[in-house]
Amino acid sequence: GDSVTQMEGPVTLSEEAFLTINCTYTATGYPSLFWYVQYPGEGLQLLLKATKADDKGSNKGFEATYRKETTSFHLEKGSVQVSDSAVYFCALKTYQAGTALIFGKGTTLSVSS
Amino acid sequence: KAGVTQTPRYLIKTRGQQVTLSCSPISGHRSVSWYQQTPGQGLQFLFEYFSETQRNKGNFPGRFSGRQFSNSRSEMNVSTLELGDSALYLCASSSVAGGSVDTQYFGPGTRLTVL
Repeated sequence: GDSVTQMEGPVTLSEEAFLTINCTYTATGYPSLFWYVQYPGEGLQLLLKATKADDKGSNKGFEATYRKETTSFHLEKGSVQVSDSAVYFCALKTYQAGTALIFGKGTTLSVSS
Repeated sequence: KAGVTQTPRYLIKTRGQQVTLSCSPISGHRSVSWYQQTPGQGLQFLFEYFSETQRNKGNFPGRFSGRQFSNSRSEMNVSTLELGDSALYLCASSSVAGGSVDTQYFGPGTRLTVL
């Protein structure tokens, strides 16, 4: 079945470091891909999305490119801030699955000053 | 535009009881989905409602049920609570049902603790 695999965390970085969180997927059909972020004690916030191959989603300095050939959607940011500390979830959705989002396990990011 | 709201935010119940959680979607959104988040299983899809009809269902026992009202507000019910039902329950709304391109917007969740 469809699935999402994220790199294990936690990821610990210093402020202004470069961030990469790996995400790969397995899906039938042509999924849309999403990154959500969850701050402590809160629900999920959509960070960015891409709906077809080679699309690049971007928001708040974060970027991810939909790579069909490698079935990947890695999240990157050039310079992280302490306020970026959160849990990041990669997710996919296919037409066959209707509205059900399939999530990865999440990656905890901790940024220190 | 107001976001997705969920009530209550926190709930403590004992085994065997039942519980009802409420979700109000973003104005104009007609699709509401529910997810369960636990440390062990992560985020899992429960079910989705559109125009008062259940359109999609995840792999959960029949103790988990839901409904949607004509104003798109949704409730989910868990009967005969078990310790393993302790979780954060998240509601998400979107403007359409089905398809892969629509975006789901999440509420803050209801934290359910079963003692």
